Amino acid sequence: RKEVEQDPGPFNVPEGATVAFNCTYSNSASQSFFWYRQDCRKEPKLLMSVYSSGNEDGRFTAQLNRASQYISLLIRDSKLSDSATYLCVVLNTGTASKLTFGTGTRLQVTL
Amino acid sequence: EAQVTQNPRYLITVTGKKLTVTCSQNMNHEYMSWYRQDPGLGLRQIYYSMNVEVTDKGDVPEGYKVSRKEKRNFPLILESPSPNQTSLYFCASSPRGSYNEQFFGPGTRLTVL
Repeated sequence: RKEVEQDPGPFNVPEGATVAFNCTYSNSASQSFFWYRQDCRKEPKLLMSVYSSGNEDGRFTAQLNRASQYISLLIRDSKLSDSATYLCVVLNTGTASKLTFGTGTRLQVTL
Repeated sequence: EAQVTQNPRYLITVTGKKLTVTCSQNMNHEYMSWYRQDPGLGLRQIYYSMNVEVTDKGDVPEGYKVSRKEKRNFPLILESPSPNQTSLYFCASSPRGSYNEQFFGPGTRLTVL
């Protein structure tokens, strides 16, 4: 089983739609969680961290469910510019802190 | 402008010909790392460095070397490239470690024939 698993998509949604992605992780001791965004052929960029109580940044909402070991990203009122691949990232701390990246979920927002 | 730069951006080479991909950051970050990204496998860490003269192996270090002689630079060296090292490579830096936001360079697309 992969440490971090995401549905690769693509998710094709019309502008204005609400879309949600889930990501599951296998290590119950994982400490921190993030969503990164990666545009086609570009570098990943931090979209938002995911806090235990859930957090919101404009149209984006991130949730963490430790009991079921998944995190989610909700995008409301999708824009064309939201088209990208969204990477789920998990931090495990121990002898060496290690980031594990999911393979990403591709979102395509259409007119 | 705060940034991470990588050179070259694109490289086609042949098996066994030593190459170096440079990485430089101007944000005074202590932590730097190298990743490779392959379809279906996501980003995998090759090497990382907590500070000058401190480097350590990531998940896929075989066939790669790094050095950290200065804080701003973290070159990736392929002594004898092989076709299975064909990939998209990203350098990243952060203020102090994995728990900080990672700032990625623009990527280097390497093809080894």
